[in-house]
Amino acid sequence: QKEVEQNSGPLSVPEGAIASLNCTYSDRGSQSFFWYRQYSGKSPELIMSIYSNGDKEDGRFTAQLNKASQYVSLLIRDSQPSDSATYLCAVRYGGSQGNLIFGKGTKLSVKP
Amino acid sequence: GAGVSQSPSNKVTEKGKDVELRCDPISGHTALYWYRQSLGQGLEFLIYFQGNSAPDKSGLPSDRFSAERTGGSVSTLTIQRTQQEDSAVYLCASSPAGAREQFFGPGTRLTVL
Repeated sequence: QKEVEQNSGPLSVPEGAIASLNCTYSDRGSQSFFWYRQYSGKSPELIMSIYSNGDKEDGRFTAQLNKASQYVSLLIRDSQPSDSATYLCAVRYGGSQGNLIFGKGTKLSVKP
Repeated sequence: GAGVSQSPSNKVTEKGKDVELRCDPISGHTALYWYRQSLGQGLEFLIYFQGNSAPDKSGLPSDRFSAERTGGSVSTLTIQRTQQEDSAVYLCASSPAGAREQFFGPGTRLTVL
């Protein structure tokens, strides 16, 4: 059974710090990896996608992928209270389209 | 531009009733997905459309659930004889042709009493 695992948290970091969110997945055939942010009572919002090993940076966000270790992470630099949300890791097993498998999310709290 | 829209935003129904949930994807997006999110659970895949065809229905939890898509655009998810365990937020997402990313609508919160 294909699984995506995340630490449920809560992860608490002070404002201005780096928040590090981690995700592991079970199937080596996975090809596409995504991070979504979900505020309480809202729908998921895509913030990062990554398809190749290594780092991908977008503003304060960096996604890191290590396919050998079946591990994907999200770093948030200069964390702000507005970053407080649940972060969902999602994986697609093969193909450019088709359903995503989601982790249950890590709740991040950024303290002023 | 306009994002994915879903209606109704909230639906309260009695056990045993049928409900219809609607999704209007981003204009031009060929792929459409239905997921649901129960309290404390992750997003659970239900069904995937490519155009009007559904190549993957593997996530539908029972034969009480069905979905259709017409004109390569609007999709309707129908739940017959609703049960209390059907209570969840039903989310729709869409993707352009060949694109890997999925963009979610605001969801429909279904409560079955």
